[in-house]
Amino acid sequence: ELKVEQNPLFLSMQEGKNYTIYCNYSTTSDRLYWYRQDPGKSLESLFVLLSNGAVKQEGRLMASLDTKARLSTLHITAAVHDLSATYFCAGGGSNYKLTFGKGTLLTVNP
Amino acid sequence: DGGITQSPKYLFRKEGQNVTLSCEQNLNHDAMYWYRQDPGQGLRLIYYSQIVNDFQKGDIAEGYSVSREKKESFPLTVTSAQKNPTAFYLCASSIGGAGGELFFGEGSRLTVL
Repeated sequence: ELKVEQNPLFLSMQEGKNYTIYCNYSTTSDRLYWYRQDPGKSLESLFVLLSNGAVKQEGRLMASLDTKARLSTLHITAAVHDLSATYFCAGGGSNYKLTFGKGTLLTVNP
Repeated sequence: DGGITQSPKYLFRKEGQNVTLSCEQNLNHDAMYWYRQDPGQGLRLIYYSQIVNDFQKGDIAEGYSVSREKKESFPLTVTSAQKNPTAFYLCASSIGGAGGELFFGEGSRLTVL
């Protein structure tokens, strides 16, 4: 059974700083997703990573996937307040199910 | 605009009552899902359906039931057998097949009084 572990679970950053959220998973995963959730809202898809070495960037966020290490990272560059949210990673195998991590609550302070 | 519509957005229920949460999608997606989210927790899969008239239990199906009579609709019933139903419920869909990205509805928040 796939298990997905994120760390840290809570992250308080200053504006302008860089940081990385880590997502480890326990068994082979064909795909890795990153989602963003604002308080009381639904999940918004950020990145879809489908192969080893995949790297995707959108604005101040960059996600990567290392299937050999069973690790995905979400790197935040020069954080701004608008990035404050909860970030989830999710992994899936050859079936339709996705397993989600517990999420990382990111707070960016002025 | 294509998307997933969940209703109601907020629902209050007395203990012992069954309630049904609606989920409709016009994305022409084959697969649909129901997830439950509790405060400070990730999402846990309740049920999923790959095609019409077929569905499978997820990790926490006890106390819930679903139907998939139409491709665009996947309602979830929270029965009185669900011991702790207060939660945020999210419906999602995907094109289908391994590697399909999930698209989520806005969610339904159920509170049991």
